[in-house]
Formats: sequence, C-alpha cells, structure tokens
Amino acid sequence: GAGVSQTPSNKVTEKGKYVELRCDPISGHTALYWYRQSLGQGPEFLIYFQGTGAADDSGLPNDRFFAVRPEGSVSTLKIQRTERGDSAVYLCASSSPQSGTNTDTQYFGPGTRLTVL
Amino acid sequence: AQKVTQAQTEISVVEKEDVTLDCVYETRDTTYYLFWYKQPPSGELVFLIRRNSFDEQNEISGRYSWNFQKSTSSFNFTITASQVVDSAVYFCALSEAVQGAQKLVFGQGTRLTINP
Repeated sequence: GAGVSQTPSNKVTEKGKYVELRCDPISGHTALYWYRQSLGQGPEFLIYFQGTGAADDSGLPNDRFFAVRPEGSVSTLKIQRTERGDSAVYLCASSSPQSGTNTDTQYFGPGTRLTVL
Repeated sequence: AQKVTQAQTEISVVEKEDVTLDCVYETRDTTYYLFWYKQPPSGELVFLIRRNSFDEQNEISGRYSWNFQKSTSSFNFTITASQVVDSAVYFCALSEAVQGAQKLVFGQGTRLTINP
C-alpha cells in the first residue's frame, strides 16, 4: 500500500515568509508525528497527533510553529515569519498504536527540505 | 531524560567485511522500546527493527543482527558480509512504552560507507 507522503519535497523561501508543509499519513494510521532533522543530526521530535488533537506539542521550538490535523488524516505544519535557522528537513511519520499492547512503529515519509534564504 | 548515543560518527569498510554499529541509551523507565532506522541517500527513514525492553533475545534477519544488552544499556547492530547497498546513515532510537503512540528520541546517527 501507499506509504507516508509529504509535499512539497523542496521548499525555498525568504526570511520572514510563511510556509506550509503537508503530510499524508498511511491510510488508517491514527497517530501522526512531525520531526525536524538538521544537517548531520538525528531527527528531533516536534509534535504528535492522536486523531485530530495534538497529544504532545512539547517539541515545537516557539510559537512561530503550529500544526493542525483537522480531520484526523492529513496534517499541515505551519511556520510563520521564517528564519534562516528554520532550514532543515521536516519529516512526518505515522503509526497505528495497538491498544493494550504498547506497540508503536513509526513509518516515515521522504521529508520536505526547507531552505530559508 | 532519555538519551541515545551513537559514538561512531562515520565508519568505512570494504565490501564483505562485517561491521558493528554501536548504540548506548539512557532512560529512567523500566519499560521502553528501542529501534534502528536506515536513512539511504534518498533521505527516507526505513524501519529495521523494534525491540521491547523485556525481550533481551538477540535477533537475526538475514545479514543483519542485533545484540541487546540491558546490563550495559546497549543495542548494537551488526551487518555481516556488508554490501555497497548497505551504505547509509543508521539511526538508533528510543521511546517510552506507555500506552499508545510515543515520540522517538534519536541518536546522532552513524554514516556507514561500504567500498567496493
């Protein structure tokens, strides 16, 4: 079946602009995660959704970052007033947590490479 | 706080050699999950394995094997008879095993290069 998809694959913007990054999870997966990966580093957690609600947004770096998942499927990560330090690959993952079994394997999309000039 | 350390930043070996990637973790939880992911040049993270903290049996899958040692908080990954296609960045990750979905804490990654 189809995996996690992310659009756009690349986004170049200017400092101060607003950007939206989209994630389409694996069909039927209720949990959705956003991570950020800077060059040469491991991914760092930003936010995760269980259904439509943000269950944990502790990784969002500041209030310029916001994410939504209005219908419990597609999610959009929104960044306002972008800064050069926001340049990174933004990864989305989805999973299907098994109730009562504590299992949760996350499957990742190809990422969106954001460059802020 | 949880932490994952992959001390080897880069490893380069010749094809057909065996290679071990080290992973050491820190957590105060008694129940947790450990993962390995592969990130080839295309950039997409590919899931390799998940291990529950209560299951210390080593696992083998083809040329891949994993050695989980709870006493030393390590979860090392060995590739036997390496191939050029194994070249990638490999990440070890940790999550708490609380009911339902959980965030992953990743190590810095080890860049593995297999030379023909």
